[in-house]
Amino acid sequence: GESVGLHLPTLSVQEGDNSIINCAYSNSASDYFIWYKQESGKGPQFIIDIRSNMDKRQGQRVTVLLNKTVKHLSLQIAATQPGDSAVYFCAENGAGGGADGLTFGKGTHLIIQP
Amino acid sequence: KAGVTQTPRYLIKTRGQQVTLSCSPISGHRSVSWYQQTPGQGLQFLFEYFSETQRNKGNFPGRFSGRQFSNSRSEMNVSTLELGDSALYLCASSPGTAGYGYTFGSGTRLTVV
Repeated sequence: GESVGLHLPTLSVQEGDNSIINCAYSNSASDYFIWYKQESGKGPQFIIDIRSNMDKRQGQRVTVLLNKTVKHLSLQIAATQPGDSAVYFCAENGAGGGADGLTFGKGTHLIIQP
Repeated sequence: KAGVTQTPRYLIKTRGQQVTLSCSPISGHRSVSWYQQTPGQGLQFLFEYFSETQRNKGNFPGRFSGRQFSNSRSEMNVSTLELGDSALYLCASSPGTAGYGYTFGSGTRLTVV
């Protein structure tokens, strides 16, 4: 499958600030996108998802934006907290019902500075 | 409800040996997928099972195999282990179609020496 990538391997933000993590995807046929958070020693944890027929979706302190024109996905985390420190992955579920599995980006390590 | 359970959490094997990893999905989930996570390659799809049938397979050699039982529990097997097989192996379950509603387990950390 085609790759899904993130722009920055590491992002450092001050506690309380907003953070934005970006992701570029290349498979224009992808119809479903997910953001995962992975803490050390744990498996990826679902944060928020968005389908290709939407541009924006909000959760608790998180917002995902999808720009299909430039094939760009972003995760915004409001008022970051120490517990937000983790590696964040975007993933796409290509067209075809997901039988090919999810394609993950390389991940961005979010560091929250006190 | 209980999450996805993977056993064992850690394994150390010698090159050339084989290994079997186990995954118990969330109750009621019928799809189980396996992923390999390494620092260099990231998360890569291995295969997915649904109702005891392998629906698709990622780009891995035939040494990697799996199966799913009637209770949806799944096992993956790696034969003739190589040093490069050292990785975190993650299992994810979902109610139906793979990719939607995924819940990951904590993984099995395999070290090949």
